[in-house]
Amino acid sequence: AQSVAQPEDQVNVAEGNPLTVKCTYSVSGNPYLFWYVQYPNRGLQFLLKYITGDNLVKGSYGFEAEFNKSQTSFHLKKPSALVSDSALYFCAVRGTTSGTYKYIFGTGTRLKVLA
Amino acid sequence: EPEVTQTPSHQVTQMGQEVILRCVPISNHLYFYWYRQILGQKVEFLVSFYNNEISEKSEIFDDQFSVERPDGSNFTLKIRSTKLEDSAMYFCASTWTGTYEQYFGPGTRLTVT
Repeated sequence: AQSVAQPEDQVNVAEGNPLTVKCTYSVSGNPYLFWYVQYPNRGLQFLLKYITGDNLVKGSYGFEAEFNKSQTSFHLKKPSALVSDSALYFCAVRGTTSGTYKYIFGTGTRLKVLA
Repeated sequence: EPEVTQTPSHQVTQMGQEVILRCVPISNHLYFYWYRQILGQKVEFLVSFYNNEISEKSEIFDDQFSVERPDGSNFTLKIRSTKLEDSAMYFCASTWTGTYEQYFGPGTRLTVT
């Protein structure tokens, strides 16, 4: 069965410091991996994805993520956090074999960037 | 930029009543989804829909739930007899073939009293 784990409910980081939000996954076959951000009372907004190719993917607002197949991880990173990055972040996985095409989301990590 | 829209933004209903949540996906998208989120927590998959039929559904999506694409633009989620535990934010999403990222609507907050 597909699953996603986001081990941290909340991550606090000072403005200007690098941030990392962790995600590990489990899926049979090759994964498609995604990060979404949710601001209060809003829908989820796509940040970046890994489908194939380069393990380091870059996305919106300066975010990037690294796909690590051996560790089954897809951690979200940003070199310098902004207060406006404070939001709820979701990692998601979609499988590539029959019966795993649905998208499974993690429980979310609340990022707080402190001024 | 095209976006997914959902109506209503907030629906209050009494237990046992039927509700229909409406979504208009992005026009050239082919895959449609419903999710729910309780109290800003985990986003739970309900159902995916492609080529006018359900492609996958979760255990949550029981006989009380149904989906329909009644015309070329709307995608609806019906809950036949609502329960208190159906209170949640319901999000619609759509995807275009080959890109895989989902575009989410702003959600409908369903409150069952």
